[in-house]
Amino acid sequence: KAGVTQTPRYLIKTRGQQVTLSCSPISGHRSVSWYQQTPGQGLQFLFEYFSETQRNKGNFPGRFSGRQFSNSRSEMNVSTLELGDSALYLCASNIGTGVVGYTFGSGTRLTVV
Amino acid sequence: QQPVQSPQAVILREGEDAVINCSSSKALYSVHWYRQKHGEAPVFLMILLKGGEQKGHEKISASFNEKKQQSSLYLTASQLSYSGTYFCGPDSSGSARQLTFGSGTQLTVLP
Repeated sequence: KAGVTQTPRYLIKTRGQQVTLSCSPISGHRSVSWYQQTPGQGLQFLFEYFSETQRNKGNFPGRFSGRQFSNSRSEMNVSTLELGDSALYLCASNIGTGVVGYTFGSGTRLTVV
Repeated sequence: QQPVQSPQAVILREGEDAVINCSSSKALYSVHWYRQKHGEAPVFLMILLKGGEQKGHEKISASFNEKKQQSSLYLTASQLSYSGTYFCGPDSSGSARQLTFGSGTQLTVLP
């Protein structure tokens, strides 16, 4: 059974640019969540999508957006990148109903220079 | 608001026991625990539900005190493979769709 796949694994961008990260959940999983992980802040919730709809959103500025496609794949976009956006971005999926655990992907390491 | 985990770091020898605590300022429906090894994705360990039900890991136990809004993870007879950073993710919504994780407890098990 394939796990959660995130692409690309590493990314270097310049301040002011925009970036799109991709996440393919486990087959059958309809919920996809995104987290930002930094050394000092731990795992910060960005947003959660289920059946192409954003169900929950964390406290991040509007520069952070996402979407989910009909095949449950999800993308996250960050516009006007700032140095502070450098982080590991993790995607996690589950079936989307009930209280169940998440399966995380290995993440995309974004460095903004 | 992030939950508070303690201790921040712990070092122990193989075979020793450890307890990791997680406190929240909000009333909780469930508490989720994950372990992340260096350079890897966080891995689901268990969920503790209001009312006492537990889902997940067979070898690691945990408790959930709803009144105190606290959870503790008990690692007994630690193995080298237990090393990693442990995160708790309390859920105050009931849906478990928006977890707020603590900053983690770094556990190192030495031979």
